[in-house]
Amino acid sequence: GAGVSQSPRYKVAKRGQDVALRCDPISGHVSLFWYQQALGQGPEFLTYFQNEAQLDKSGLPSDRFFAERPEGSVSTLKIQRTQQEDSAVYLCASSFGGGAPGELFFGEGSRLTVL
Amino acid sequence: KQEVTQIPAALSVPEGENLVLNCSFTDSAIYNLQWFRQDPGKGLTSLLLIQSSQREQTSGRLNASLDKSSGRSTLYIAASQPGDSATYLCAVTTADSWGKFQFGAGTQVVVTP
Repeated sequence: GAGVSQSPRYKVAKRGQDVALRCDPISGHVSLFWYQQALGQGPEFLTYFQNEAQLDKSGLPSDRFFAERPEGSVSTLKIQRTQQEDSAVYLCASSFGGGAPGELFFGEGSRLTVL
Repeated sequence: KQEVTQIPAALSVPEGENLVLNCSFTDSAIYNLQWFRQDPGKGLTSLLLIQSSQREQTSGRLNASLDKSSGRSTLYIAASQPGDSATYLCAVTTADSWGKFQFGAGTQVVVTP
């Protein structure tokens, strides 16, 4: 595709529900990143994939958060048993190379509100 | 742990004035540094990428400098326009965790006509 596509753009969940956020990176991009952005703050790293391999998941805040990229293209970030503190914008980014960090291209984000 | 700071948090300038945005980082062993722009409710748009071996990058009215020894980068925007109003963020990655970009909180810029 022309850019990084994320869906849904907006999600409202009741506390305790599971949610799944999808990211479709730029075609051919090897690296894929998930970030969490709270209001008025810079994005915080969650996890990073190179092709289908999850190379770093040190930023995932708890074991309720899970990310996958099974075929090395589309990625899904899943949050189980959502809590109010999970409310944030979840940003996905992709980068062409895998051997070195290059220019990041971000999607529009998925805004999650947990009631 | 790498800490990235952007000061000031907000800036308002009249149209036509040059903008100077600052980014400082605590660990000088960076791999690269990127400047982004974020409009309200939108994702981030990459402006400039500076590799650790470079001292500056230019694109149109934008110029970014990098001084690793002092842990600083500066983004200059010449002849500002109202369309430059946005939040500007910098992000760095280090050689030992290069997949993990560390962001500053951003500088919110308003350019008044």
